[in-house]
Amino acid sequence: GAVVSQHPSRVICKSGTSVKIECRSLDFQATTMFWYRQFPKQSLMLMATSNEGSKATYEQGVEKDKFLINHASLTLSTLTVTSAHPEDSSFYICSARALGLAGGETQYFGPGTRLLVL
Amino acid sequence: AQKVTQAQTEISVVEKEDVTLDCVYETRDTTYYLFWYKQPPSGELVFLIRRNSFDEQNEISGRYSWNFQKSTSSFNFTITASQVVDSAVYFCALSERNNNAGNMLTFGGGTRLMVKP
Repeated sequence: GAVVSQHPSRVICKSGTSVKIECRSLDFQATTMFWYRQFPKQSLMLMATSNEGSKATYEQGVEKDKFLINHASLTLSTLTVTSAHPEDSSFYICSARALGLAGGETQYFGPGTRLLVL
Repeated sequence: AQKVTQAQTEISVVEKEDVTLDCVYETRDTTYYLFWYKQPPSGELVFLIRRNSFDEQNEISGRYSWNFQKSTSSFNFTITASQVVDSAVYFCALSERNNNAGNMLTFGGGTRLMVKP
């Protein structure tokens, strides 16, 4: 259980184009999903928290107009990188929050999307 | 503010050796959760364990064991008889309980483990 998929796994695009990344929880419902960014040999940086049916909460320094997040259903959140530039090239990972037994919660992560902007 | 420190950036061992990955955390909250994730070269983060702040019992799962000590704010991870397949980056993470939707994870910098045959 607790499987999260992400699509596409890898994308190469030209500068100025927009790229949409999908994150799905396959066997559970997730009212909250998270989007992270990871640079080579670095830790994960939280970009935003995506809540189903409401606006996403962005971390300081993350441009909401640049990284559009839509959490359309309990199993799907999308991240759109608008007008992508080479500096947006990175590894983007989503996670979905699952409630555990006796309280508490765990984030399960998708396989990630490698974005290369030429 | 919460913080997670993994002082070891890289560890290299020979297969069958035991290895311990250190994790030290800081938090003001009395209720929190600690996690370990494994990130193999493929990139996906694999959930290994979650421990809440009220449960200090150590846990063993196969070759993996975890030592949680609140007195030293540490949550160390030991791999016994390491194997080449254990080679990965391991992240320790902390989550504080709050009233907002979605407890956020604070990640340590990660420890890259290389197990040589």
